[in-house]
Amino acid sequence: AQKVTQAQTEISVVEKEDVTLDCVYETRDTTYYLFWYKQPPSGELVFLIRRNSFDEQNEISGRYSWNFQKSTSSFNFTITASQVVDSAVYFCALSEREGNQFYFGTGTSLTVIP
Amino acid sequence: NAGVTQTPKFQVLKTGQSMTLQCAQDMNHEYMSWYRQDPGMGLRLIHYSVGAGITDQGEVPNGYNVSRSTTEDFPLRLLSAAPSQTSVYFCASSPDGGDTQYFGPGTRLTVL
Repeated sequence: AQKVTQAQTEISVVEKEDVTLDCVYETRDTTYYLFWYKQPPSGELVFLIRRNSFDEQNEISGRYSWNFQKSTSSFNFTITASQVVDSAVYFCALSEREGNQFYFGTGTSLTVIP
Repeated sequence: NAGVTQTPKFQVLKTGQSMTLQCAQDMNHEYMSWYRQDPGMGLRLIHYSVGAGITDQGEVPNGYNVSRSTTEDFPLRLLSAAPSQTSVYFCASSPDGGDTQYFGPGTRLTVL
């Protein structure tokens, strides 16, 4: 079973629109960590955020915000006022306390149209 | 501070050839891992290591070997390359298994 599901394969928005990328995870651990990474067209993987399972407080960093809800096992990512530079593939990932493994979702490709 | 480095950046192999993808980090991280990235499949874990001398298999280990003789280096060996191993390979490191992983720039491998 897929531990991290990113149901949106591709999203296109017009510049300045808001966009939310969905991430649903599955784990039996009580201690776990959730991540978002960005992969721009140049190919490198850029770390965006890490949350632990005990901290459900939403986080905002500039135009980026994250909504962590344990009740729905979701960790969604919103970009406000999108820009062309936000065009990239975004990956959600899960790390469980037990097992030392990272599980990545299949990614959401975001295209921001000028 | 170079972070995580990978060599080579590009490689073309013929079926049956062997090669080693190099990965090194200078952050004194205990945890290192190898992933492959294929279209539509995200990143899949091949092998990982929680410290020098300790390695374990990930989701897709077949056809690959690893060793960890030092904290800094974590090479990935392809024993007999197959076209199914055509992929982009990423190495990553982190202080421990639950921590943020920092990725190298990747190696694009093509097996003909």
